[in-house]
Amino acid sequence: QQQVKQSPQSLIVQKGGISIINCAYENTAFDYFPWYQQFPGKGPALLIAIRPDVSEKKEGRFTISFNKSAKQFSLHIMDSQPGDSATYFCAASPTGNTPLVFGKGTRLSVIA
Amino acid sequence: DAGITQSPRHKVTETGTPVTLRCHQTENHRYMYWYRQDPGHGLRLIHYSYGVKDTDKGEVSDGYSVSRSKTEDFLLTLESATSSQTSVYFCAISGTGAATNEKLFFGSGTQLSVL
Repeated sequence: QQQVKQSPQSLIVQKGGISIINCAYENTAFDYFPWYQQFPGKGPALLIAIRPDVSEKKEGRFTISFNKSAKQFSLHIMDSQPGDSATYFCAASPTGNTPLVFGKGTRLSVIA
Repeated sequence: DAGITQSPRHKVTETGTPVTLRCHQTENHRYMYWYRQDPGHGLRLIHYSYGVKDTDKGEVSDGYSVSRSKTEDFLLTLESATSSQTSVYFCAISGTGAATNEKLFFGSGTQLSVL
């Protein structure tokens, strides 16, 4: 049972463009939504995270948009660069000590 | 990689043989996790530990067992390896925040091939 649905599976963006990756969830108990970035041959690393008390969080070129009523959240990468080429995972979990549930990942390629 | 060492980094084994993967941390984090990563499936939790000798199952625990006899080590054992267990295995740790999910730190992974 997939609790977090992520799309698209792969994405190709021109350098300088905006990359958008979407995730949807069903479990209303989820209240922590991180994004992880993974480069080839490496483990994932936390990129940015949001809680439902805000609708948007920005860190540099990376922004999470959160829509609680629609149970959706998305990652926007502004001014995408070739160095952003990686696999991105959204995740979610309820408050407390329950492990994260990950989406299936999006492979982003930024081409010059 | 935040003081996490996975061993071995690569392993090729035969169907039916037992295999043990090791995760060692130097961060003294309370929580440790084993995930597997497969194309089209993303990261799936196998087992996790919330303390020494305290473990629980994840969504894909069948065919796997774990042990944690001390804070720094978390072992994943495939009792009788099958080809469906060919995967990249990641260990992760957390525990810096009030909840386990504040931030996960991942190891570099173990590529396991079962022939």
